[in-house]
Amino acid sequence: KQEVTQIPAALSVPEGENLVLNCSFTDSAIYNLQWFRQDPGKGLTSLLLIQSSQREQTSGRLNASLDKSSGRSTLYIAASQPGDSATYLCAVHGSSNTGKLIFGQGTTLQVKP
Amino acid sequence: DAGVTQSPTHLIKTRGQQVTLRCSPKSGHDTVSWYQQALGQGPQFIFQYYEEEERQRGNFPDRFSGHQFPNYSSELNVNALLLGDSALYLCASSPELYLGEQYFGPGTRLTVT
Repeated sequence: KQEVTQIPAALSVPEGENLVLNCSFTDSAIYNLQWFRQDPGKGLTSLLLIQSSQREQTSGRLNASLDKSSGRSTLYIAASQPGDSATYLCAVHGSSNTGKLIFGQGTTLQVKP
Repeated sequence: DAGVTQSPTHLIKTRGQQVTLRCSPKSGHDTVSWYQQALGQGPQFIFQYYEEEERQRGNFPDRFSGHQFPNYSSELNVNALLLGDSALYLCASSPELYLGEQYFGPGTRLTVT
């Protein structure tokens, strides 16, 4: 059974700091992995999608990496800003014949001015 | 281009009642999935609809049922509401069954009293 874990559960950093959010999964046989952002009480915004054949994806100040063999993904945020404060969720798409995403519990990030 | 839309935004129901939530997928998407997100948790997969049929189901009781219409919009119905059904219900759409990036709506906050 696939399980997704995100550590830490919460993180507080000063503005301008570079930071890394971690996501681990127990079954390396994944199809793809998505990182999402969620603001309080709101829906999910897709940040990056990494296919299983890819090692990383970049969008602006965000970079996501994937290491299937070790069951890990990281989301790197450069030069953090207060507007980056939100909960970040990673989700694994287990195989090509399922639409089910399996989510971690998220990391809540606070960037202080 | 409208994204995924959901209605209503908020809903308060009493234990034992029934509720219907609605979702319109992103333009060009024909597959709709529903997720339940309890406070402080990651979303949990309920089921996925394609071509008006339930294609995959998560670990939810039969009190949870759904429907997809010819225009790809979808409804989630929950019967005999329990206090534990209080959550944010998220709809996601994708351009093809099983595969492809999933796009989420803003969610419906259901409170059961």
